[in-house]
Amino acid sequence: KQEVTQIPAALSVPEGENLVLNCSFTDSAIYNLQWFRQDPGKGLTSLLLIQSSQREQTSGRLNASLDKSSGRSTLYIAASQPGDSATYLCAASGTYKYIFGTGTRLKVLA
Amino acid sequence: GAVVSQHPSWVICKSGTSVKIECRSLDFQATTMFWYRQFPKQSLMLMATSNEGSKATYEQGVEKDKFLINHASLTLSTLTVTSAHPEDSSFYICSASGGLVYNEQFFGPGTRLTVL
Repeated sequence: KQEVTQIPAALSVPEGENLVLNCSFTDSAIYNLQWFRQDPGKGLTSLLLIQSSQREQTSGRLNASLDKSSGRSTLYIAASQPGDSATYLCAASGTYKYIFGTGTRLKVLA
Repeated sequence: GAVVSQHPSWVICKSGTSVKIECRSLDFQATTMFWYRQFPKQSLMLMATSNEGSKATYEQGVEKDKFLINHASLTLSTLTVTSAHPEDSSFYICSASGGLVYNEQFFGPGTRLTVL
């Protein structure tokens, strides 16, 4: 049974810092690993999707990497801004369904 | 891009009534749709998976007679919460797959259900 864990659970950083969010999964037989952002009371915004054959994906200040063999993915946020404050979720895609991680609540202080 | 809508975005109902939530894929045909539930400060938990024209597959612990799912077309799935109770209050999110990337799901904006 796939289990997805995110560390840290919460993070507070000053504006401008580079930061790394971690996602671990127990079953390496995944199709995709996807990172999402969720603002309070809102739905999910897809940030990056890494297919199992890929090692990383980049979009603007975001970079996500995937290491299937070790069961890990990281989301790197460069030059963080207060607008980046949100909960970040990773999801591992198996045969047909997503298993979501526990989330990291990020607060970027101005 | 692939867009999924949900209606309503929020609903308040009295205990014992039924509530229907719609999920639509606006610009693609969704072979499979998924329903998730999210309690405050928790992550998303998959409730059920539905394929067009077939009965939904429910996750362990989800009552299929309480959460009725209909997937009558490739662009519409509905979730009906029957005889709702306050403990059913939650954020319900649907998703749909059928895009170019295998298994990629596109998520709706969610529906906030409050049962009084």
